[in-house]
Amino acid sequence: QLQLQESGPGLVKPSDTLSLTCTVSGGSITSSDYYWGWIRQPPGKGLEWIGSIHYGGTTYHNPSLKSRVTISVDTSKNQFSLRLRSVTAADTAVFYCARQMVRGILRYYFDYWGQGTLVTVSS
Amino acid sequence: EIVLTQSPGTLSLSPGERATLSCRASQSVVSSYLAWYQQKPGQAPRLLIYGASSRATGIPDRFSASGSGTDFTLTISRLEPEDFAVYYCQQYGSSQFTFGPGTKVDIK
Repeated sequence: QLQLQESGPGLVKPSDTLSLTCTVSGGSITSSDYYWGWIRQPPGKGLEWIGSIHYGGTTYHNPSLKSRVTISVDTSKNQFSLRLRSVTAADTAVFYCARQMVRGILRYYFDYWGQGTLVTVSS
Repeated sequence: EIVLTQSPGTLSLSPGERATLSCRASQSVVSSYLAWYQQKPGQAPRLLIYGASSRATGIPDRFSASGSGTDFTLTISRLEPEDFAVYYCQQYGSSQFTFGPGTKVDIK
């Protein structure tokens, strides 16, 4: 059974960089059928896609966040990571990593999700 | 960017009743790229439907969905106690994903 697990600091200071890692277990990150994505959810609010990466390194991002986001992959560790620069209180959210289907006629959905990790931006 | 609007914001129903949730897009969506998720408090979203009408693995057949273009619908034929949750639609287009604001189905 595929599992995804987010890890990283739960508290980040304003103007600092938020860094999270998603570890994939029970399956390989090196499949052409999938991208690997980050989605966030501010407390009590809806879901916002941040960006996605292929194991080969190709990425694409939400245009509203693009200038602050870096997503990278480490195939040797079966992990992918998120860096969000210059954070403010508005970036406080639960951050989820998820597997994104990109192969087949019916695609572009997230079928496996991590449990999520709350990151609070505060001094 | 395609904006998704969901209605109603909250749906108050009793177990056993039928729930009909709407997702409307600001412009036409590729049906193959429309999905629905269920989220319970403190949990990650769970994929229910992909390709506008295909149930994900393990999703009971009381969940069904349909639609095309700008109008999509998720139907729960008979609400079970575990179905009370928030439901989100999601689309992919122009190299980005967007989610609707969600419909909360709560117990009347």
